Amino acid sequence: GENVEQHPSTLSVQEGDSAVIKCTYSDSASNYFPWYKQELGKGPQLIIDIRSNVGEKKDQRIAVTLNKTAKHFSLHITETQPEDSAVYFCAAIYSSSNTGKLIFGQGTTLQVKP
Amino acid sequence: DTAVSQTPKYLVTQMGNDKSIKCEQNLGHDTMYWYKQDSKKFLKIMFSYNNKELIINETVPNRFSPKSPDKAHLNLHINSLELGDSAVYFCASSQDGGPYGYTFGSGTRLTVV
Repeated sequence: GENVEQHPSTLSVQEGDSAVIKCTYSDSASNYFPWYKQELGKGPQLIIDIRSNVGEKKDQRIAVTLNKTAKHFSLHITETQPEDSAVYFCAAIYSSSNTGKLIFGQGTTLQVKP
Repeated sequence: DTAVSQTPKYLVTQMGNDKSIKCEQNLGHDTMYWYKQDSKKFLKIMFSYNNKELIINETVPNRFSPKSPDKAHLNLHINSLELGDSAVYFCASSQDGGPYGYTFGSGTRLTVV
C-alpha cells in the first residue's frame, strides 16, 4: 500500500531563517500532495497543496516542490516567524480514487526561536 | 460557524466502558472520516462514509463502530475501551470522497485509565 516518509521529525531554526521539510511517497499513482499545519490542541489545517501536473507552487512565504520521477515533494518556509512553530504533515492521495483516504507522513515538529 | 465540530473535546474514562464521540459538519460535504492520532502524532484513517455509506474500514477492531444518521453527521462509538485506545480522534469531511476542501475538526482527546 501507499507509504509516505517524512523528514526530519524535528526541526529548530532561528527566526528569519528558512525551513525545509521533505517527503517521499511510494505509490506512483498518487497525484495530489497537501501539506497540513497542526497547532497545539487543534486539528490539521491545509496550508498548501500541489497536484502532480505541477512542479512548484508558492503562496507568500510557503512553497512546495514536487519531483514525480523521484517521488519526492518538499515544503519550504522562508523568513520563518515564531507563529510558524507547529507540527507539519505531508500527505499523498490518488485523487481519482474517490475514497478520500489521505496517507500522512510522520510529521515534523518545527520550532522557530525568536 | 465552525465547519467541522466534534464533541466532546476531552474524554477521560475507565477501561471497559463504552463511549461515543460526535461529529457534525456544515460544509455541505458528502464524505466524512475518522482519523486516529497516536502519542507519536501519527495520523491514520479509520473510517470514511460517503452519503451515509461506509467506504473505508481500515482494519479497525470491531469495538469501534461508526454511525452516520445523515451526511452531515458521523459519530464514533467505542465499546469495551482499552488503554491502547487512548489517542486523539479527528473527524474530517470532504466533497465526493475527494481530497479537495478536506477539513478537520479540532479533535477529541480520549484518555482511558
